Amino acid sequence: QVQLQQSGAGLVKSSETLSLTCTVYGGSFSGFFWSWIRQSPGKGLEWIGEINHSGTTRYNPSLKSRVSMSADTSKNQISLRLTSVTAADTAVYYCARPWGLDNWFDPWGQGSLVTVSS
Amino acid sequence: DIQMTQSPSSLSASVGDSVTITCRASQSIGTSLHWYQQRPGKAPNILISSTSTLQNGVPSRFSGSGSGTDFTLTISTLQPEDFATYFCQQSYNTPLTFGGGTKVEI
Repeated sequence: QVQLQQSGAGLVKSSETLSLTCTVYGGSFSGFFWSWIRQSPGKGLEWIGEINHSGTTRYNPSLKSRVSMSADTSKNQISLRLTSVTAADTAVYYCARPWGLDNWFDPWGQGSLVTVSS
Repeated sequence: DIQMTQSPSSLSASVGDSVTITCRASQSIGTSLHWYQQRPGKAPNILISSTSTLQNGVPSRFSGSGSGTDFTLTISTLQPEDFATYFCQQSYNTPLTFGGGTKVEI
């Protein structure tokens, strides 16, 4: 059974870079895409983008200029970087696996609350 | 982007009631519509994929229907553990988008 474990800083200063990591346990890492999604009271659930084991990425155009994702197959990890953060980037960030022919998300990581401070 | 509009944003119900939540897409998405349940402090959990396919372990009191732009999630005979927030998500086009959520309260 695949499980996703997230880690990373929970407090980031305004204008700096948010960094999070998601480690995949218990299943295949290669052959799948892996997504980042965030949830804030103001904007609800927002898909940030996805990456596969070979580094192919797709980003939400609304965040594309500030987002980068990477994959480390030796550690079964994906990483998210979001630059030039503002208070609007304060959210719970999730990693999740798009699954099935129709790309629903299952499973999800436990979530990481990231607060942007001034 | 495809906008997903859920209604109502919240509802009050009692144990044993039947409730229906609606999700409307800003353009046709076929049947690429999925439903999640989220409890406080937890990640969303997939309930129904591709409009009407119940995920393993999800009780049969949950059902989904629709196609094109209009979709519904029905919970028949509400149980205490069903009081949560429900989200829809489209996977027809990127960026993948979610509805704003429906909070089901006692």
